[in-house]
Amino acid sequence: IAGITQAPTSQILAAGRRMTLRCTQDMRHNAMYWYRQDLGLGLRLIHYSNTAGTTGKGEVPDGYSVSRANTDDFPLTLASAVPSQTSVYFCASSGGLAGAAEQFFGPGTRLTVL
Amino acid sequence: LAKTTQPISMDSYEGQEVNITCSHNNIATNDYITWYQQFPSQGPRFIIQGYKTKVTNEVASLFIPADRKSSTLSLPRVSLSDTAVYYCLVGAGFSGGYNKLIFGAGTRLAVHP
Repeated sequence: IAGITQAPTSQILAAGRRMTLRCTQDMRHNAMYWYRQDLGLGLRLIHYSNTAGTTGKGEVPDGYSVSRANTDDFPLTLASAVPSQTSVYFCASSGGLAGAAEQFFGPGTRLTVL
Repeated sequence: LAKTTQPISMDSYEGQEVNITCSHNNIATNDYITWYQQFPSQGPRFIIQGYKTKVTNEVASLFIPADRKSSTLSLPRVSLSDTAVYYCLVGAGFSGGYNKLIFGAGTRLAVHP
């Protein structure tokens, strides 16, 4: 059982380039999330989707977009990367409602924007 | 939004009980409190969740006072493998609560021999 997979594991990207981080879950969870983790700031929610076909903004959505075409996949796109988007990105999923549900996290993608 | 505050770091020794407190003064009626553990280069992992009073599972206990403005994660008899960062998450348990999931900055626990 894979749970949640993320790709790539790490990436170095030139500023201004477009980048899509991939996330796939095999648990048939309705809700999926994207977080970024920066030193000293913990995890901050970028975007979420509470069911296929719907998405919403989290705490720090600017510069990022997401789509949820099906239950399993939740890609995160940086249309034009900037150095401040250097971070570790975690995808998560949950089967219940928001804060009442256990979230299952992927292994993360380490992104460096130069 | 229910902002959370945790100690930045804590030290303990093997076999001791460790208590990590999270403050969440603005917690709302619909909010649940969840704790996660994170090892280096891994995603966070669920430890325990509660709404009020005390919850216990096979790895930890969670104490929540009546006013729910704080919560304490208790790890009994820690070992070296409990060295990790511990996060407190406060979030509403209803469909409109997804955008209000707030993690604390985390507490770095170091367990020494």
